[in-house]
Amino acid sequence: AQSVTQLGSHVSVSEGALVLLRCNYSSSVPPYLFWYVQYPNQGLQLLLKYTTGATLVKGINGFEAEFKKSETSFHLTKPSAHMSDAAEYFCAVSSRGTSYGKLTFGQGTILTVHP
Amino acid sequence: SQTIHQWPATLVQPVGSPLSLECTVEGTSNPNLYWYRQAAGRGLQLLFYSVGIGQISSEVPQNLSASRPQDRQFILSSKKLLLSDSGFYLCACQSGQAVYNEQFFGPGTRLTVL
Repeated sequence: AQSVTQLGSHVSVSEGALVLLRCNYSSSVPPYLFWYVQYPNQGLQLLLKYTTGATLVKGINGFEAEFKKSETSFHLTKPSAHMSDAAEYFCAVSSRGTSYGKLTFGQGTILTVHP
Repeated sequence: SQTIHQWPATLVQPVGSPLSLECTVEGTSNPNLYWYRQAAGRGLQLLFYSVGIGQISSEVPQNLSASRPQDRQFILSSKKLLLSDSGFYLCACQSGQAVYNEQFFGPGTRLTVL
């Protein structure tokens, strides 16, 4: 069975500071990896995903994530936080096998950006 | 790209009452459809998924059921709501053959059971 752990349920940064949201997964084989963002009372929007190839993945809104197989990690970063980045972020995995695209989500990290 | 509609947006129901949440999808055909529940501080939990009309798979035992009467319609139901059914319900769809294709999410329904 797969699982996802997001370290830190709340992260607070200053505007312009580095954003680092941590995600580790547990899976018998490297899964497909995703980061989603959720603004209050809305659905989720895909930020980026890793399927194969280059391990550094760039997404929307200046975010990027790096797949590190040896560390079973897929941390999300952004060099300079903006007030509009305040939201909840979810890391998710999907099995490379016959999974019908089912996603297993982490518990989420709420990002607060203060002036 | 796909557009997902969910209604109602919010719902307050008494314990023991029935439930019907509807999700419809535009812009794609034969999608995989999913119901997730988001409880406070607990992330998203997959409740049901469907790969075709009338095909429903349940991920966790619970007080809820799902149906897919049409290709782009997905319904979440309950005969008698429990307090623990409160939460934010999200419908999602995925198109194409690749299992890593993006899932698109609807705006959600916030259910409060009193």
